[in-house]
Amino acid sequence: QKEVEQNSGPLSVPEGAIASLNCTYSDRGSQSFFWYRQYSGKSPELIMFIYSNGDKEDGRFTAQLNKASQYVSLLIRDSQPSDSATYLCAVGSGGFKTIFGAGTRLFVKA
Amino acid sequence: DTEVTQTPKHLVMGMTNKKSLKCEQHMGHRAMYWYKQKAKKPPELMFVYSYEKLSINESVPSRFSPECPNSSLLNLHLHALQPEDSALYLCASSQVFLDGGYQPQHFGDGTRLSIL
Repeated sequence: QKEVEQNSGPLSVPEGAIASLNCTYSDRGSQSFFWYRQYSGKSPELIMFIYSNGDKEDGRFTAQLNKASQYVSLLIRDSQPSDSATYLCAVGSGGFKTIFGAGTRLFVKA
Repeated sequence: DTEVTQTPKHLVMGMTNKKSLKCEQHMGHRAMYWYKQKAKKPPELMFVYSYEKLSINESVPSRFSPECPNSSLLNLHLHALQPEDSALYLCASSQVFLDGGYQPQHFGDGTRLSIL
């Protein structure tokens, strides 16, 4: 059974701080890794994807991938109250299947 | 604005009704997906179409019937649903790599379905 694990949170950080969200996955053959943001009552919104080991930066967001440790993370710099949402880690393990983690709820306190 | 459009946004139906959910994308993607999402849970994959052919059916009950009329459209036909089928139904699309890999999925806003 392929699994994607996330801490459900809530993770609470003050405005302006760095939020660090973590995810582990069980299938060593996984090739693609995605982070989605989902506001309450809304659909998931893609914010980052990464395929290779290392860091990938896009604005305030940095995705980090370590395939040896089967670990992927998302850093949000200068966190804003508008970043408060559930963050879903998703892993592609072949074909068209994407396995989603249960999500981490993030609260950014003003 | 999302480039994957789902209609209707809300649907209330009885257990004996027949209705359809519609999804349209104009991103040139050749893979389209249906997901079901219950409150505070991650999306669960239901069906995947690649190049208008059904690639994945995640053992979904036959009261859900997908259809892909062309590369831009995806329908989900509903019949004799149960109250536990009430959920947010999400459509997504993605590019397809020739080597079988795939690109990130882009989601529509979803249809919130309530079964009475």
